[in-house]
Amino acid sequence: QSALTQPASVSGSPGQSITISCTGTSSDVGGYNYVSWYQQHPGKAPKLMIYDVSNRPSGVSNRFSGSKSGNTASLTISGLQAEDEADYYCSSYTSSSTYVVFGGGTKLTVL
Amino acid sequence: QVQLVQSGAEVKKPGASVKVSCKASGYTFTSYYMHWVRQAPGQGLEWMGIINPSGGSTSYAQKFQGRVTMTRDTSTSTVYMELSSLRSEDTAVYYCAREGVVATVAWYFDLWGRGTLVTVSS
Repeated sequence: QSALTQPASVSGSPGQSITISCTGTSSDVGGYNYVSWYQQHPGKAPKLMIYDVSNRPSGVSNRFSGSKSGNTASLTISGLQAEDEADYYCSSYTSSSTYVVFGGGTKLTVL
Repeated sequence: QVQLVQSGAEVKKPGASVKVSCKASGYTFTSYYMHWVRQAPGQGLEWMGIINPSGGSTSYAQKFQGRVTMTRDTSTSTVYMELSSLRSEDTAVYYCAREGVVATVAWYFDLWGRGTLVTVSS
């Protein structure tokens, strides 16, 4: 069981928007702004999409945005495109001896 | 270009050790901490530990304490992750991933290696 809780799957049609939630505790997501999001296509390494809750690295589409409220972080993808179909993982620093926790991953299907 | 190149796939027997390498290029090796993250087949990501390539200091997830050792060689810009007492549950793809902020730790990973598959089987 992963430390952060994500929905196993979400889906949307091209052009639509979807949101993926990531729920933790006050020891991780709620207590720090060290939340990041990663996209992973099958057989590939993860790719950083969002860091520090809501910052986008250079080169990442502005269709991707992040936010946080309390112990829950969210990744929103607007204007869905076929290439967005992938697994998405959230991550957070944690005050426990684990240091970093990940969500279990969410499979995004573009219908 | 900026990249991390990892060593090739390994097959090990239970109880053995494995040492995975990760060679950095295209940036100042000692300026960025390096993390190790693993992913079991069909499973999610799991953070293992971090090394400061400048001084060599390390921090490990409690789960791996006593079994993992991370080292670096500044002359070749390479970091290593050695995992001992291997068991079948250690079968996974092991990634090195660069810390996203220079000279400090902000706990995100902006550059990833392609991964090294380690298979533990008798």
